[in-house]
Amino acid sequence: GAVVSQHPSRVICKSGTSVKIECRSLDFQATTMFWYRQFPKKSLMLMATSNEGSKATYEQGVEKDKFLINHASLTLSTLTVTSAHPEDSSFYICSARSGETEAFFGQGTRLTVV
Amino acid sequence: GQNIDQPTEMTATEGAIVQINCTYQTSGFNGLFWYQQHAGEAPTFLSYNVLDGLEEKGRFSSFLSRSKGYSYLLLKELQMKDSASYLCAVMDSNYQLIWGAGTKLIIKP
Repeated sequence: GAVVSQHPSRVICKSGTSVKIECRSLDFQATTMFWYRQFPKKSLMLMATSNEGSKATYEQGVEKDKFLINHASLTLSTLTVTSAHPEDSSFYICSARSGETEAFFGQGTRLTVV
Repeated sequence: GQNIDQPTEMTATEGAIVQINCTYQTSGFNGLFWYQQHAGEAPTFLSYNVLDGLEEKGRFSSFLSRSKGYSYLLLKELQMKDSASYLCAVMDSNYQLIWGAGTKLIIKP
């Protein structure tokens, strides 16, 4: 299957700082990228959907000023968690899709805010 | 509303067969996916069904009945490494993925 690379896999940051997570599609052009959040023992929660070159569409309850998403090219999307707090600690996963095909997932990023 | 139901947890024995069911009610249908997720890792793709019937891929098979809003994932010759959560997801009319809560599969020797 296609390869989606997510970086970093783990990050620990201090409360109040910002963290950027990158999601790259390595061997295909991702017209759509999705960002998910997963709490322990819970299912994936879609945070936002981004199409290359346009603003992300955020799910209800997700603060767009806190979770900044940029999808500047067909191979790269970034999620920036601004002014992180301990409650933002979670597993963040991106997935990418080309057209209307299946979505391929990145490896995930475990964010711990201390 | 949109809803995906699958059992929370199942237990099976190494070498046996297990069937994980998924029922769905969504606004439109553009395919059903099964993903495997080991603890602490991102999900990995297992199968995609858009037409009725059984798709077989090695030890794993996936079945779909669109008229019944029903799918199952069948795992044969279970191995200890198959212990994981199995996620059912449906792509709706807007091509958005609606996720089930996942089924935690425990394999015992």
